[in-house]
Amino acid sequence: KQEVTQIPAALSVPEGENLVLNCSFTDSAIYNLQWFRQDPGKGLTSLLLIQSSQREQTSGRLNASLDKSSGRSTLYIAASQPGDSATYLCAPYYGNNRLAFGKGNQVVVIP
Amino acid sequence: GAGVSQSPRYKVAKRGQDVALRCDPISGHVSLFWYQQALGQGPEFLTYFQNEAQLDKSGLPSDRFFAERPEGSVSTLKIQRTQQEDSAVYLCASSLGGSAGNTIYFGEGSWLTVV
Repeated sequence: KQEVTQIPAALSVPEGENLVLNCSFTDSAIYNLQWFRQDPGKGLTSLLLIQSSQREQTSGRLNASLDKSSGRSTLYIAASQPGDSATYLCAPYYGNNRLAFGKGNQVVVIP
Repeated sequence: GAGVSQSPRYKVAKRGQDVALRCDPISGHVSLFWYQQALGQGPEFLTYFQNEAQLDKSGLPSDRFFAERPEGSVSTLKIQRTQQEDSAVYLCASSLGGSAGNTIYFGEGSWLTVV
């Protein structure tokens, strides 16, 4: 089973600080990796999809990096806002019609 | 609507009752997925459809779980003789392409509580 670990499990930061969320996966033979956001009581929203051939992908204040060989991805959120409070889930894809999810990084941005 | 729609949003079932959860994917999406998410955990894969064909059902936890997508659009996840351990959020997702390697769009989930 492909294991996905997200560290830290939970963090609180003051508004304006940059967020760094880490994801590691045991099997480096990924096709791509997606980062999702989940608000309480809601479904998942795809934030970024980064292909295995890419080193990073950016969307607005979000930047995801990928180091496939070491089995790591990092999501950076610049200048955090209270609206960024959510759980962030990392999901590598191995070509087997399913995503392997971690437990998530639960983020609280304090105004 | 423009997104993935799931119903009911909340369901309380007595142990032993059968339940049916419905998913309306985004129109034209080929792939449809069901995931189960327990409290505090990431989603776990249940099953995958490409159009009407169920290509992978290896994640279904027991033979009490059954899913169908007869016309390649709407899907139903059925759980027979529900048990307390079935309490979870059931998430449906769809994608335009024929695999999970594309951007995937999730519904808001059906919250099942078995009492």
